[in-house]
Amino acid sequence: EDKVVQSPLSLVVHEGDTVTLNCSYEVTNFRSLLWYKQEKKAPTFLFMLTSSGIEKKSGRLSSILDKKELFSILNITATQTGDSAVYLCAVESKAAGNKLTFGGGTRVLVKP
Amino acid sequence: NAGVMQNPRHLVRRRGQEARLRCSPMKGHSHVYWYRQLPEEGLKFMVYLQKENIIDESGMPKERFSAEFPKEGPSILRIQQVVRGDSAAYFCASSPSWEGTIYFGEGSWLTVV
Repeated sequence: EDKVVQSPLSLVVHEGDTVTLNCSYEVTNFRSLLWYKQEKKAPTFLFMLTSSGIEKKSGRLSSILDKKELFSILNITATQTGDSAVYLCAVESKAAGNKLTFGGGTRVLVKP
Repeated sequence: NAGVMQNPRHLVRRRGQEARLRCSPMKGHSHVYWYRQLPEEGLKFMVYLQKENIIDESGMPKERFSAEFPKEGPSILRIQQVVRGDSAAYFCASSPSWEGTIYFGEGSWLTVV
């Protein structure tokens, strides 16, 4: 059974801090790993990672995948209060169509 | 191009009643997925459907839950004889193909009282 574990469960930081979120996974026939941001509504797509060692970047957010060690990290630099959300990691298996297996999420609270 | 549309957005049901959640996929998408998110938990896959076919229902509870995606009209997730533990957010997602990018709807929040 595919499995995704995220850590930490939650964290509180102050504006301007940098946060690093972790995602480890076990999946049969890995296709991709995805990061989403969820703010009390639908998950908003952030990144899709398929290759090891290639950093994806979008503004203050970046993510990288290590397919050998089976984990990914999501970094947020110069955090703002608007970054407060639950960040979800999900993996997709080639064997399962588009079925995603999600981790439990990391709740990030950015204080002014 | 409208996104994935779900309704109702919020639904309150008494224990024992039926809940019907609807999902209209994005235009051109023929693959629909339902996920459930219990309070303070991540999303859990329930079922994957194409038009008139259930492809994968490995995440569906064995009883009281059913899903369909008819040739015409939205996909429907039906929960019979709801219990308090069914209270959750139910998200629908769609994609143009089994490999395409998945887009999520805004979710339907079911509260069972």
